[in-house]
Amino acid sequence: AQSVTQPDIHITVSEGASLELRCNYSYGATPYLFWYVQSPGQGLQLLLKYFSGDTLVQGIKGFEAEFKRSQSSFNLRKPSVHWSDAAEYFCAVSYSGAGSYQLTFGKGTKLSVIP
Amino acid sequence: DAGVTQSPTHLIKTRGQQVTLRCSPISGHKSVSWYQQVLGQGPQFIFQYYEKEERGRGNFPDRFSARQFPNYSSELNVNALLLGDSALYLCASSSRDTGSYEQYFGPGTRLTVT
Repeated sequence: AQSVTQPDIHITVSEGASLELRCNYSYGATPYLFWYVQSPGQGLQLLLKYFSGDTLVQGIKGFEAEFKRSQSSFNLRKPSVHWSDAAEYFCAVSYSGAGSYQLTFGKGTKLSVIP
Repeated sequence: DAGVTQSPTHLIKTRGQQVTLRCSPISGHKSVSWYQQVLGQGPQFIFQYYEKEERGRGNFPDRFSARQFPNYSSELNVNALLLGDSALYLCASSSRDTGSYEQYFGPGTRLTVT
């Protein structure tokens, strides 16, 4: 079965500093990979996705992620964090199994930003 | 265009009761999925419907059921509520016609079971 690991439960960075959130997945074939962001009490907003092709993908709000097949990783990065980026970030994987493209999520990484 | 909408926003139920949650997908989207998010965890997949047929089911008991209507909206029903059913229930829609696999989420319904 597929699984997603986000090893960092909580990360604190200063505003303007760079950010990297880690994500590792476990699945035999190349999965579809996603990063979502969730503000308190809100639903999930899609930041970016990887299906195939270029392993460096750009998303909204200045985020990017790099797919590394050899490391089974899909880490999220941002060169300069803004206070409004404080939220919880979820990595997710999907695959086509029996016609279902269900998402499997990691447990999330909570990002705090120091002014 | 309107995003995914869910109703109600919040509700409080008593153990043993039944609850129905509703979801309207993005216009043109024919697939709806339901997820349960317990506090402090990532969302867990419950059901996926496409063209009114169940296409996937997660590891949830039979107390959980769902359906999709001809207008592609969906309902999630939970019977015999337990305290552990307290969670944020998220609905997501996607358009499989275009081969697009990303899912767009609604704001969720916060269910509290007392």
